[in-house]
Amino acid sequence: NAGVTQTPKFRILKIGQSMTLQCAQDMNHNYMYWYRQDPGMGLKLIYYSVGAGITDKGEVPNGYNVSRSTTEDFPLRLELAAPSQTSVYFCASSLADNEQFFGPGTRLTVL
Amino acid sequence: RKEVEQDPGPFNVPEGATVAFNCTYSNSASQSFFWYRQDCRKEPKLLMSVYSSGNEDGRFTAQLNRASQYISLLIRDSKLSDSATYLCVVRRGKLIFGQGTELSVKP
Repeated sequence: NAGVTQTPKFRILKIGQSMTLQCAQDMNHNYMYWYRQDPGMGLKLIYYSVGAGITDKGEVPNGYNVSRSTTEDFPLRLELAAPSQTSVYFCASSLADNEQFFGPGTRLTVL
Repeated sequence: RKEVEQDPGPFNVPEGATVAFNCTYSNSASQSFFWYRQDCRKEPKLLMSVYSSGNEDGRFTAQLNRASQYISLLIRDSKLSDSATYLCVVRRGKLIFGQGTELSVKP
């Protein structure tokens, strides 16, 4: 199993550009999550999904959108990128509310 | 006030030392508790769950005091490979992460 994979690993965006961060898992986990981690800070939940077709907001959803059309994939969309969205983004998955497994992260810089 | 607070560190200790990390949480409705480990620029990984009775996994001991809303992690006989950031995490519906305590173990 590859576990949780994320692409790209790094990205630099200009203010106002859009992009999609990809996340996939091959563990047949029903729950998936997107977090952001700013330097010296804890992870903050952006969006989560408890199954295909179901998504819900976390603590910091503004400026982001998600979709969950399949069990495996949970892409995160940034529209109109802003410098405040410079961060490391982690995707995670779990079987129900059990241990969460994280992907390697995407390091995003918005200039 | 942050919902989960940890000593920010860094803790710089020699190999073989015993080091303790503290964590407090503010919401008494928190349901379960964990320590995650995060290596530099890598993803967090579950180190251990924390139970009210206390639990041990090799050189690592975790304690929970629900009355004081306090969680601790003790690492005995520190190894160079223990150098990382340790994240205190509580579940209240979803996971809530502390900002982490950085540990550096020196030869």
